[in-house]
Amino acid sequence: KAGVTQTPRYLIKTRGQQVTLSCSPISGHRSVSWYQQTPGQGLQFLFEYFSETQRNKGNFPGRFSGRQFSNSRSEMNVSTLELGDSALYLCASGLNFRGLASSSSYEQYFGPGTRLTVT
Amino acid sequence: SQELEQSPQSLIVQEGKNLTINCTSSKTLYGLYWYKQKYGEGLIFLMMLQKGGEEKSHEKITAKLDEKKQQSSLHITASQPSHAGIYLCGADGNNLFFGTGTRLTVIP
Repeated sequence: KAGVTQTPRYLIKTRGQQVTLSCSPISGHRSVSWYQQTPGQGLQFLFEYFSETQRNKGNFPGRFSGRQFSNSRSEMNVSTLELGDSALYLCASGLNFRGLASSSSYEQYFGPGTRLTVT
Repeated sequence: SQELEQSPQSLIVQEGKNLTINCTSSKTLYGLYWYKQKYGEGLIFLMMLQKGGEEKSHEKITAKLDEKKQQSSLHITASQPSHAGIYLCGADGNNLFFGTGTRLTVIP
């Protein structure tokens, strides 16, 4: 079974530009969640989608947005990039989303991440 | 705001030794997650705990959520070099948030 794939793996953008990252979940998974990881702030939750609906949202500005398609693939978009947006962006897929799953059924599988550098 | 404190921040153990990592919250935990991150292997979800007193295992790693649901401990039995990495706890609050991690080194 293929794992979670993220594209692109590396990206360099300039301040003020916008960027779109893609995440393809494991086949059959309907939940995709996104995270930002930086040395300074650590791991932070961005948002989670299940069946094309945003189910949970982290504490990020509106410049960060996402969506999920009918085939469960997800994209996240960051507009008006800032230097502080440089980070490793991780996505994870699962059968359930937080709030729906019990601890006995919840699991996540992470992709390798997209490393975004903003100059 | 709710915070998660992990202790210790780093740990160096001899292969074969047991060890414990703690994750303490300032408020009641409604869902507690454990992850492992290792360079070259990405982030790995280990387990989720929800109920007070709940205990789960993943290979030789056992985690428990205490009865008051404000602390979780992760215990590794007979550590191996493959256990080395950064262990992160995460918790459900207003949104999902994470501790700062415990770096584990296992010396062969």
